[in-house]
Amino acid sequence: GAVVSQHPSWVICKSGTSVKIECRSLDFQATTMFWYRQFPKQSLMLMATSNEGSKATYEQGVEKDKFLINHASLTLSTLTVTSAHPEDSSFYICSAIKALDNSPLHFGNGTRLTVT
Amino acid sequence: AQKITQTQPGMFVQEKEAVTLDCTYDTSDPSYGLFWYKQPSSGEMIFLIYQGSYDQQNATEGRYSLNFQKARKSANLVISASQLGDSAMYFCAMRDTGTASKLTFGTGTRLQVTL
Repeated sequence: GAVVSQHPSWVICKSGTSVKIECRSLDFQATTMFWYRQFPKQSLMLMATSNEGSKATYEQGVEKDKFLINHASLTLSTLTVTSAHPEDSSFYICSAIKALDNSPLHFGNGTRLTVT
Repeated sequence: AQKITQTQPGMFVQEKEAVTLDCTYDTSDPSYGLFWYKQPSSGEMIFLIYQGSYDQQNATEGRYSLNFQKARKSANLVISASQLGDSAMYFCAMRDTGTASKLTFGTGTRLQVTL
């Protein structure tokens, strides 16, 4: 149980275009989802916390207008990288939680974004 | 602010041997949770083990055990009987009640299991 699906697993786009990444909880309802970014050989850095039906909470230094997050249902959150630039190339990974207790976060398989 | 420290960027262990991956943490919150995740080269994050700050006993999950020393603020992961498939990055993470369930990750340790 507790499967999180992330799509696409990899994407290549040109500078200036936008890319949408989907994160779905397949067998549970996730009131909260998290979006992380991981640069090569580095740790996961939290970008934003996404709550169903409300605006996302962004971490300091993350541009909310560039990384648009929508959490329209209890099973789907999307991250849109707008006007992508090469420096946005990274591994983006989402996670979802079943309950606000000590349950582990369940992660999607990640999306490798390359901006050319 | 909470902080997670993993001081071993890389570790080698021989197959079938045990290995300890270090993790220390810092938080002012009395209630917190500590997690270990495995990240193979494919990128997915695999949950391994959890330890709550109020848990009296060290957590164990199969070949994984957590050596929790609260006074020292350490939560080391012990992998027994290492297997080649254990080669991966390992991340220690913490969540406290002040962070709305979000995890803060350490920098990770790359484990290489050799024959």
